[in-house]
Amino acid sequence: QLQLQGSGPGLVKPSETLSLTCTVSGDSISGPDYYWAWIRQSPGRGLEWIGNIYYSGRTHYNPSLNSRVSTSVDTSKNTFSMRLTSVTAADTAVYYCVRGICSGYNCYDMLHFDYWGQGSLVTVSS
Amino acid sequence: EIVMTQSPATLSVSPGEGATLSCRASQYIKNNLAWYQQKPGQAPRLLIYGASSTATNIAARFSGSESGTEFTLTINSLQSEDSAIYFCQQFHTWPFTFGGGTKVEVK
Repeated sequence: QLQLQGSGPGLVKPSETLSLTCTVSGDSISGPDYYWAWIRQSPGRGLEWIGNIYYSGRTHYNPSLNSRVSTSVDTSKNTFSMRLTSVTAADTAVYYCVRGICSGYNCYDMLHFDYWGQGSLVTVSS
Repeated sequence: EIVMTQSPATLSVSPGEGATLSCRASQYIKNNLAWYQQKPGQAPRLLIYGASSTATNIAARFSGSESGTEFTLTINSLQSEDSAIYFCQQFHTWPFTFGGGTKVEVK
């Protein structure tokens, strides 16, 4: 049974960097048919896709966050991570780490999300 | 960015009744649409992908359909455990985007 467990600080100060890690268990993060994503949810912004990463390192980011977000994958630890710089109160949200299904060579077509972690509440406040 | 518009915002139905939830895409997205169910305090759960394919372990009373840029989630014979918020999401074009959700109350 696939499990995604997010971890990271629940409180981040404005202007600092939010860092989250997701530990994947029950399957290999290097599986060719899957990609890994971060999605956040807040009352004001609803569900917002942040970005995707494939085990090869190929990434896609939401342009609204592009200059502030980066993701990485550690295949030896079966984890993937996200960093969001210069946070403000608007970045307060529940952050989900998610698995997505893909098809085609090098995960050319990134499709729907099939497994979600339980979510981590991150509050930006001084 | 493709805007996904869901309607209605809230739907109240009695047990055993059916429900039809709508999702409209601002641009053509082929059948690259998924539906998710989210209960309070839980993460979203995949119900439908590819507009009409039912995800693993999802009850047969959930079905999806498409007509152009209009997508529909149909829930037959609603049960109390179907009370939740339902979201649509397009994965046709970056950035992936979600609808605002339809809250379904079964009472």
